[in-house]
Amino acid sequence: QKEVEQDPGPLSVPEGAIVSLNCTYSNSAFQYFMWYRQYSRKGPELLMYTYSSGNKEDGRFTAQVDKSSKYISLFIRDSQPSDSATYLCAMSRYTGNQFYFGTGTSLTVIP
Amino acid sequence: DAGVIQSPRHEVTEMGQEVTLRCKPISGHDYLFWYRQTMMRGLELLIYFNNNVPIDDSGMPEDRFSAKMPNASFSTLKIQPSEPRDSAVYFCASSPGGLPLANYGYTFGSGTRLTVV
Repeated sequence: QKEVEQDPGPLSVPEGAIVSLNCTYSNSAFQYFMWYRQYSRKGPELLMYTYSSGNKEDGRFTAQVDKSSKYISLFIRDSQPSDSATYLCAMSRYTGNQFYFGTGTSLTVIP
Repeated sequence: DAGVIQSPRHEVTEMGQEVTLRCKPISGHDYLFWYRQTMMRGLELLIYFNNNVPIDDSGMPEDRFSAKMPNASFSTLKIQPSEPRDSAVYFCASSPGGLPLANYGYTFGSGTRLTVV
């Protein structure tokens, strides 16, 4: 079993829709949970991160962590065509230097 | 800062040939990571360095892969001999380090798309 599981999609939504992206994990030692965005033929870039359980909001983006279920989510409100990209979740232990990535979910927002 | 710089952007080579990928991390970043990305397996960590010293190379697939970091501003990933199953996008990333690492994240380069025919 992989430590981080992510549905690859692809996901296609109309502009303005609410998007929900999810990951599950198996390692209870993970403390930091991140979301990276990767545009085509580019490297991933950090979108936001959360520590432990709870929610974090940044503009149209909300990250949610449920450690009891080992489940994390990223919500995108009022989705825009510029949000079309692959979204990767990543996790780490507090003392670890390594991030464990999901395989990514491909999102297309249709104008 | 120009970010993490990788070269070449694309590489097409024949099976059995030696391939060398290059990376220049962001100045001042103490950590350097090499990842490989495929559709099936996603991002896989191959090896990472701290202050030019290899810390964990358990992700290197086999002896055909080797990585070096001779100084703080340069690293190479070499595949010899290359095989078609090595075809992937190889990313280099750097991080200033510190805890929590997530606070700093990684800065990725644009990757090298390797095709072995």
